[in-house]
Amino acid sequence: DVKVTQSSRYLVKRTGEKVFLECVQDMDHENMFWYRQDPGLGLRLIYFSYDVKMKEKGDIPEGYSVSREKKERFSLILESASTNQTSMYLCAGAPGGAGTDTQYFGPGTRLTVL
Amino acid sequence: DAKTTQPTSMDCAEGRAANLPCNHSTISGNEYVYWYRQIHSQGPQYIIHGLKNNETNEMASLIITEDRKSSTLILPHATLRDTAVYYCIVRVEGGSEKLVFGKGTKLTVNP
Repeated sequence: DVKVTQSSRYLVKRTGEKVFLECVQDMDHENMFWYRQDPGLGLRLIYFSYDVKMKEKGDIPEGYSVSREKKERFSLILESASTNQTSMYLCAGAPGGAGTDTQYFGPGTRLTVL
Repeated sequence: DAKTTQPTSMDCAEGRAANLPCNHSTISGNEYVYWYRQIHSQGPQYIIHGLKNNETNEMASLIITEDRKSSTLILPHATLRDTAVYYCIVRVEGGSEKLVFGKGTKLTVNP
């Protein structure tokens, strides 16, 4: 079974704090993604990575950064958390390469910024 | 822009088959049909995907019409744990595009 894990299911932080969300996949997948999901707005892509040390901006990268030092780990960083970053954060991994590219998701981290 | 159209909600009796329709009339020849579901407060779960042939796995069956303009996801024996929002997505082959979920269908399985 494919497995994507996220460091926390629920997280509460204060405005201005630096927040790290960790994602680990055991599928040897090339590609990893960070999304946020908000009611009425659906999934929105924050950042993705095609390979170690590579990153690409998604649709809403402002206020976020990422790190991919190892193939299996993709971290999302909120440099200075704000209340509008309260959301469900979802990490996904995908095999990469030619052909269909199914994304497998982790359980999600529900972040509340006070 | 939404590429798929799904009913907002459906109900199904436990133990019966749940048939979830999806219209994708503008689908391109190289686009696959994917189905995901999301149980409340959990991450989306991949179910199945197909190009033009019908597909079956341990979770579900996917029936795609010959003209590929619509498809049906079938859960053969629905259980209470199948209550979730089901998303139908069309995606191009290859690459690593972001997933775009529409509003999906809220399936409620009733005892």
